[in-house]
Amino acid sequence: DAGITQSPRHKVTETGTPVTLRCHQTENHRYMYWYRQDPGHGLRLIHYSYGVKDTDKGEVSDGYSVSRSKTEDFLLTLESATSSQTSVYFCAIRQGEANTEAFFGQGTRLTVV
Amino acid sequence: KNQVEQSPQSLIILEGKNCTLQCNYTVSPFSNLRWYKQDTGRGPVSLTIMTFSENTKSNGRYTATLDADTKQSSLHITASQLSDSASYICVVSGPSSGTYKYIFGTGTRLKVLA
Repeated sequence: DAGITQSPRHKVTETGTPVTLRCHQTENHRYMYWYRQDPGHGLRLIHYSYGVKDTDKGEVSDGYSVSRSKTEDFLLTLESATSSQTSVYFCAIRQGEANTEAFFGQGTRLTVV
Repeated sequence: KNQVEQSPQSLIILEGKNCTLQCNYTVSPFSNLRWYKQDTGRGPVSLTIMTFSENTKSNGRYTATLDADTKQSSLHITASQLSDSASYICVVSGPSSGTYKYIFGTGTRLKVLA
C-alpha cells in the first residue's frame, strides 16, 4: 500500500464532538486528498492540498476543515460531528495532476451516534 | 453537469467466465479515464489509465477500452477468478478552473462464485 497510513481505522464518536482523522504518507507526493464514500455515491472530494499550507475545498467541504503543516501529513477535522458525517473516509496522494497515478489509503470508518 | 455512470450496479458470474463492465461519462473537457478495483474494506487500487488518444489498455486479465467520441469505456475481465470479487470504479478527470477535477462513478459490484 504505497506508503499511505490512515488513522484511526475505525472510530465511533458522539454528535457534537470534534474528530480529527490523520493521513500520513512516506512518498513525498505533492497532492493529498480527502474523500468520503457513501452508498449510492461515488467517492466525493472533501478537501485537497497541493502543498504545505496550500489547501482548497472540494464538493462536500461543509463541516470539515483540513491542515497540512508538513508534506507527509494531511489532517481532516470535523469540528462538531453530525450523523450525516457517518461515512468511510479515504485519503489519496498523487505526485502531480493530469495523468499521474493516485494511491489511496485503507480508509477510516467513522460512525457518529 | 459532469457525470460518470456505471452499469450494471452489480453482477454475479461463475468462476472462469468473462464479463464486461460499462462506464459512460459526460465530463468535459476530458483528460483521462481510470478504472479502479476496490476490495471490501480497502481503498481503491488502480487497474488502468487511458488518455483520449488511447483505445485499449490491458493489465493482465483486465482490458479497458475507450471511445472518446461516444464517451464510453468498458472493462473486460477474462477468465474470472474468485479474487476478482470487488467493486470496480470508473473515474474520469479533466481540467477545471486551473486544477483537475476527478469524477467518480458509483461502481459495479462484482461477485464471482465457485
